[in-house]
Amino acid sequence: QSVLTQPPSLSGAPGQRVTISCSGTSSNMGTGYDVHWYQQLPGTAPKLVIYSNNERPSGVPQRFSASRSGTSATLAITGLQPEDEADYYCQSYDTMNGWVFGGGTKLTVL
Amino acid sequence: QVQLQQSGPGLVKPSQTLSLTCVISGDSVSSNSVAWNWVRQSPSRGLEWLGRTYHRSKWYTDYAQSVKSRITIDPDTSKNQFSLQLNSVTPEDTALYYCVRGAQPGTGSWFDPWGRGTLVTVSS
Repeated sequence: QSVLTQPPSLSGAPGQRVTISCSGTSSNMGTGYDVHWYQQLPGTAPKLVIYSNNERPSGVPQRFSASRSGTSATLAITGLQPEDEADYYCQSYDTMNGWVFGGGTKLTVL
Repeated sequence: QVQLQQSGPGLVKPSQTLSLTCVISGDSVSSNSVAWNWVRQSPSRGLEWLGRTYHRSKWYTDYAQSVKSRITIDPDTSKNQFSLQLNSVTPEDTALYYCVRGAQPGTGSWFDPWGRGTLVTVSS
């Protein structure tokens, strides 16, 4: 059972906008700790796509954006591309458990 | 560009010690602005942070409560690498193990980059 809660799966058609939610508690996001997001393509290591709630690393397409409010955060992908099909994970810090991750959301591009 | 190269056995017997090494290129294990972490991934436990080592005028380590009694993470400045040792392993420790740089010194840190991962199976 992951500390941060994500929907197990979702899907979208090419060109659509999809959002992935991440829900925390008062011991992690509710305390104000930053949220970060990773993309994991099949057979590869996770790759950072958003850091510090809404910052995009160099090289990550502008169609990736994110926001957070209170104990929730959201990753948005606009103009969905076939290469965006992957698992996505949120990550934060928890006062009880250290650095924690969501259970992951499998995104399927129809 | 920072790269992390992992090595270590892929099969460990129950009750024995899991040992992995991560060689750093493009950064220093002694850097005062980052931390060096181990994270594992398994179908049953998902992504799980295990611990970290970092240097701030002296060396520090932090470990996850779930493995605190069994884990050691050590830096090796002569080889610019850090290692993971996990004692008394059980089949529940079977996972893909990643070495990862923590990009900030504090609790707000994110992980980037990641090593390629080492699949470790605990089995007799």
